[in-house]
Amino acid sequence: DAKTTQPPSMDCAEGRAANLPCNHSTISGNEYVYWYRQIHSQGPQYIIHGLKNNETNEMASLIITEDRKSSTLILPHATLRDTAVYYCIVRVESEKLVFGKGTKLTVNP
Amino acid sequence: GAVVSQHPSWVICKSGTSVKIECRSLDFQATTMFWYRQFPKQSLMLMATSNEGSKATYEQGVEKDKFLINHASLTLSTLTVTSAHPEDSSFYICSAAALGTLSYGYTFGSGTRLTVV
Repeated sequence: DAKTTQPPSMDCAEGRAANLPCNHSTISGNEYVYWYRQIHSQGPQYIIHGLKNNETNEMASLIITEDRKSSTLILPHATLRDTAVYYCIVRVESEKLVFGKGTKLTVNP
Repeated sequence: GAVVSQHPSWVICKSGTSVKIECRSLDFQATTMFWYRQFPKQSLMLMATSNEGSKATYEQGVEKDKFLINHASLTLSTLTVTSAHPEDSSFYICSAAALGTLSYGYTFGSGTRLTVV
């Protein structure tokens, strides 16, 4: 079973920030939080990951709460091409990836 | 960055025939590759873990004699769906990680859409 809980769907206006929440209340101390996304009929794409600290890269920012029981993926300026299913996954390094149901993000013009 | 190539991107086959899907790591060596299956409007389901030079490890409920996995080199893993039936129609996706980059997760192929008629 997936160790995370995500809302099934979200909408966002183009150009606005998209904030995708994820609950992982049973996360262990050595488990990382990973985010992937899957655009329709394609393989998943790695976005970002983190352990404790907030992380930022060219695609997104990851905000992890101090107790590590939840996190938020932020797409600062969503575009239509960001419409996809976003998966939040917790895992130990080198462990297999187990996907939950994810959040279907729709970016509207 | 790391690239995983999957071939074919789509295939249609008749019931009872076998289909082979290839997964290649193009610019890195991958000791471990993973195979997933995804039905319409559902999430990815892990089928098996493919280790170079050894037998694959299958997830519970996945028939190893039906889904044959071979990982003969550090850059190639194959999945053969034997005696395919319409219920095997699905989107099959592989993934791999470069040695030493496991902390960055895995790179996925673009998937193979299998239709069994």
